[in-house]
Amino acid sequence: GAVVSQHPSWVICKSGTSVKIECRSLDFQATTMFWYRQFPKQSLMLMATSNEGSKATYEQGVEKDKFLINHASLTLSTLTVTSAHPEDSSFYICSARSPLVGYGYTFGSGTRLTVV
Amino acid sequence: AQRVTQPEKLLSVFKGAPVELKCNYSYSGSPELFWYVQYSRQRLQLLLRHISRESIKGFTADLNKGETSFHLKKPFAQEEDSAMYYCALLMDSSYKLIFGSGTRLLVRP
Repeated sequence: GAVVSQHPSWVICKSGTSVKIECRSLDFQATTMFWYRQFPKQSLMLMATSNEGSKATYEQGVEKDKFLINHASLTLSTLTVTSAHPEDSSFYICSARSPLVGYGYTFGSGTRLTVV
Repeated sequence: AQRVTQPEKLLSVFKGAPVELKCNYSYSGSPELFWYVQYSRQRLQLLLRHISRESIKGFTADLNKGETSFHLKKPFAQEEDSAMYYCALLMDSSYKLIFGSGTRLLVRP
């Protein structure tokens, strides 16, 4: 139980285009999901908290207009990287708290974004 | 400000040797600490949390509030323990999980 599915697992896009990443909780409802960014051989940096039915809260230094987050249902949060640039290339990971694991956090498998 | 520090980027030990991965934290609230593990090409998964006070795969960790530490220990390392280990702090006010920089454990045969 407590599975978070992330799609796509990898994507290549051209500079200037937008890319949408989906994060789904498969067997539980998640009112809150979290989006992280991980650079190679580095730790996970929290980007934003996605709240179902309301606006996401972004961490300091994260551009909300570039990283659009939508949490339209209790099982789906999306992260859209708008007007992508090569420096946006990274590994993006979503996470959710699940009652199935004592409200611990479960993570998606991540999405590797490459902007060319 | 809240912070999680893992001073070692790489820890290399031989099979059967004891292992201690260090983690120190800074947080003004009531801390809840976790250890997560990431095996090669796999997603991050929970190893243990301090409130459970359990041992998973032979690993244990004790929260020391006086030293603000939550070091991960295992008496006899196995090759399959080789992975990336992250210490994480849950901020009780916002439920945000803050990660340390991670320590790569390499267990040599």
